Amino acid sequence: QQPVQSPQAVILREGEDAVINCSSSKALYSVHWYRQKHGEAPVFLMILLKGGEQKGHEKISASFNEKKQQSSLYLTASQLSYSGTYFCGTVTGGGNKLTFGTGTQLKVEL
Amino acid sequence: NAGVTQTPKFQVLKTGQSMTLQCAQDMNHNSMYWYRQDPGMGLRLIYYSASEGTTDKGEVPNGYNVSRLNKREFSLRLESAAPSQTSVYFCASSIKGFSGGRGETQYFGPGTRLLVL
Repeated sequence: QQPVQSPQAVILREGEDAVINCSSSKALYSVHWYRQKHGEAPVFLMILLKGGEQKGHEKISASFNEKKQQSSLYLTASQLSYSGTYFCGTVTGGGNKLTFGTGTQLKVEL
Repeated sequence: NAGVTQTPKFQVLKTGQSMTLQCAQDMNHNSMYWYRQDPGMGLRLIYYSASEGTTDKGEVPNGYNVSRLNKREFSLRLESAAPSQTSVYFCASSIKGFSGGRGETQYFGPGTRLLVL
């Protein structure tokens, strides 16, 4: 089952902050975040693993609440280059596949 | 080091025609994946290969077949294309799969844009 992302879309002015959320109805083993620019392939941002380990981007932070089966991606001091669609992907208990959410469209304007 | 490459970039098919989408990676990755991306639906897994010699169904396998030709190459075949298969197809690879809930970064190819008339 697909994780649910919110919001579906957000518009920011350069320098503003944003939070993108990802929720699962099943117990999460790991959460993966990707960004996709229009007409391009998704690009890896970050992995959060059960137990607290993180691997990823220096300028982007994220949290993983195992009890609530949720993850949040924090984009601070946004830049024009942050524009794109952000996807979370989840691996749930006992699973061996990555299931992506429907995405959050982020647009950063001057 | 080209990463993940896909051919063709664009394709137009008529209903009922067949075609094979090719994918290759040069990162010595064990696991490879095929996704389709439709507006508002995100990325949906069609088939994956956790290691050379194995393939498994994903969320939306109907109408597709795959072949893990060797460690580098993973092809997706549409035997009888339908308009519902109009989509953007992405191939991806990772060092290992997601068994056990851990798993590594997936690297995506540039995509194949397929239109079925």
